[in-house]
Order: sequence, then structure tokens, then C-alpha cells
Amino acid sequence: DTGVSQNPRHKITKRGQNVTFRCDPISEHNRLYWYRQTLGQGPEFLTYFQNEAQLEKSRLLSDRFSAERPKGSFSTLEIQRTEQGDSAMYLCASSLAGGGDTQYFGPGTRLTVL
Amino acid sequence: RKEVEQDPGPFNVPEGATVAFNCTYSNSASQSFFWYRQDCRKEPKLLMSVYSSGNEDGRFTAQLNRASQYISLLIRDSKLSDSATYLCVLGDTGTASKLTFGTGTRLQVTL
Repeated sequence: DTGVSQNPRHKITKRGQNVTFRCDPISEHNRLYWYRQTLGQGPEFLTYFQNEAQLEKSRLLSDRFSAERPKGSFSTLEIQRTEQGDSAMYLCASSLAGGGDTQYFGPGTRLTVL
Repeated sequence: RKEVEQDPGPFNVPEGATVAFNCTYSNSASQSFFWYRQDCRKEPKLLMSVYSSGNEDGRFTAQLNRASQYISLLIRDSKLSDSATYLCVLGDTGTASKLTFGTGTRLQVTL
């Protein structure tokens, strides 16, 4: 399967714990995005990488959130000291700049904070 | 005011019906427009891009009206498999190309 993959698919954690999610984009894609989706809402942009550089972060991304893409390939999103309001689906997407830039989404990681 | 507004539905239509969704957007500088489809508990998937000249893909027709800042999606001859949430999406005007999604319109096609 050459699509975007995300791990884990589901994560249940207790409030106050740290969690980390991983996204593997389509191999030749140089752009990678993180979005968050809560029930009944559309996805909301969190942050964006071009290669290894994090070029934009949403105001939604509090200082408890950090994202990395160290080698310009896979990316990780870490949430520290989770809160119940962090419960959501975290979606990763990738695209090829200059290649129409269509964003292809991974299956998401569903986070539940108890 | 939300950047992208959609009627959440649900739209319940019989198989074979024609159904239309509209969405309005507030950023007049928006440059790119899309419809994404999202099945329950799945990721969004691009259905089609939307151009000012209108574009058609099989049973699906999308239209953009820049003057009125609205986008439409028409589905003809609805199939049971069209049941999903349809997300109206704007592409960023900057270099990031981040997407701004509406809340989605839920469609349920019935026998």
C-alpha cells in the first residue's frame, strides 16, 4: 500500500499522559500536514512541513503540541499533558508541491483522553 | 462568521434522485476550491476540484460562483454508495496550501 499511513490507529490515554503519533506520507511527497477533526466538524489545520522545515502552525497548536519531521520523510505529533479536550481524530495528509498539490489523507489516529 | 458554511443536513433522498449541496465562503481571496467526500469514521478523500467554468465528473457536477462566493455540488442519479458526508474545502491563498474545511453535509441515499 503506497498511501499515507498513520500509527497507531487508536489511542486511549489518561488525562495528563503524553502521547505520540506517527505519520508516513506517500514516499515522493515533500509536503506534510496535520489536521484535527472532532465529531460533527470538518478537519482543522494544525501544522505543515515542507521537507523537514515546519513552515506554519495554527493557533490551535498550543505549546503542549509539538510536531517534527526530522528527515523530511515521516512525521511525529506529540501531545504532552493530554486533556479531555484533546480527544479527536488526528489526520495526516501529504502532497507534492508543484504536482497539483492534491492532499491525500491517512486513515487518522483516534485519540480518546479519559 | 465561519470561513466555510454548509448546511449539515442530513439530506435523505431516494435512489435515483438528484441532490444539490451549496456552500458559502467568506474569504474572497480564496484561490482553490474542492469537494471532499468522507465516509463514516474514515479519512476525507478528494471528490473533485471546482473551477469557475464548472466541471463535471460522471454523475457529479461542481460549480463556483466567485461573485457570490458560493460553491455547489450536484449529484445526479444518486446511488446508495453516495451516502457520505460531503465537505466543501478551500485551499489557502499562501504557499502552504493548507485546506479549510466546512463542517460537511451528510447525505443518506435510501432504497
